[in-house]
Amino acid sequence: GAVVSQHPSRVICKSGTSVKIECRSLDFQATTMFWYRQFPKKSLMLMATSNEGSKATYEQGVEKDKFLINHASLTLSTLTVTSAHPEDSSFYICSAPSGSGLNEQFFGPGTRLTVL
Amino acid sequence: GNSVTQMEGPVTLSEEAFLTINCTYTATGYPSLFWYVQYPGEGLQLLLKATKADDKGSNKGFEATYRKETTSFHLEKGSVQVSDSAVYFCAGGDTDKLIFGTGTRLQVFP
Repeated sequence: GAVVSQHPSRVICKSGTSVKIECRSLDFQATTMFWYRQFPKKSLMLMATSNEGSKATYEQGVEKDKFLINHASLTLSTLTVTSAHPEDSSFYICSAPSGSGLNEQFFGPGTRLTVL
Repeated sequence: GNSVTQMEGPVTLSEEAFLTINCTYTATGYPSLFWYVQYPGEGLQLLLKATKADDKGSNKGFEATYRKETTSFHLEKGSVQVSDSAVYFCAGGDTDKLIFGTGTRLQVFP
């Protein structure tokens, strides 16, 4: 089946620094990718839709300047958490639609961000 | 708007017990419905899906039937194993976006 990878799987950074998370579709092209944030023991919250060749679409309440998204190619989307703070610590997950037209998505393994 | 509601956990069962995790949806149309599973330390994996009313999705002994009349997609398994311990997410979508339920943690003890 289709595979979506994320890098890094874990990152620890100091408060005030920026962190970039990569999401790649390994054996298929994705003009759209989704970025989620998962809080401990809670569901996934859709943060934004990453669109290849155009600006990302952010969900209500998500700071665009805080969470920069770039969809550089048909297989790569990046999420940059700028000026990270401890409250940004979370599990970030990306996904890409399967293209089957059935709303199925393939999920990356997630990135655990810890901001000290 | 569209929403997905699933039962809160954790659900604690002994091995070989019967499992039901309830999920209901609210939507203007008839979205595709999914169950995703997240094993400890891993990302979400698609467990099963159904794309229209009366469809039954099944995988690894798990089943769920798309019930239009009750707007439900309950997950069932006749005999759970310790290895089924995970968090289960119900999700639905009628566009590329998916709406997730809050997740239900299942703990199976020997």
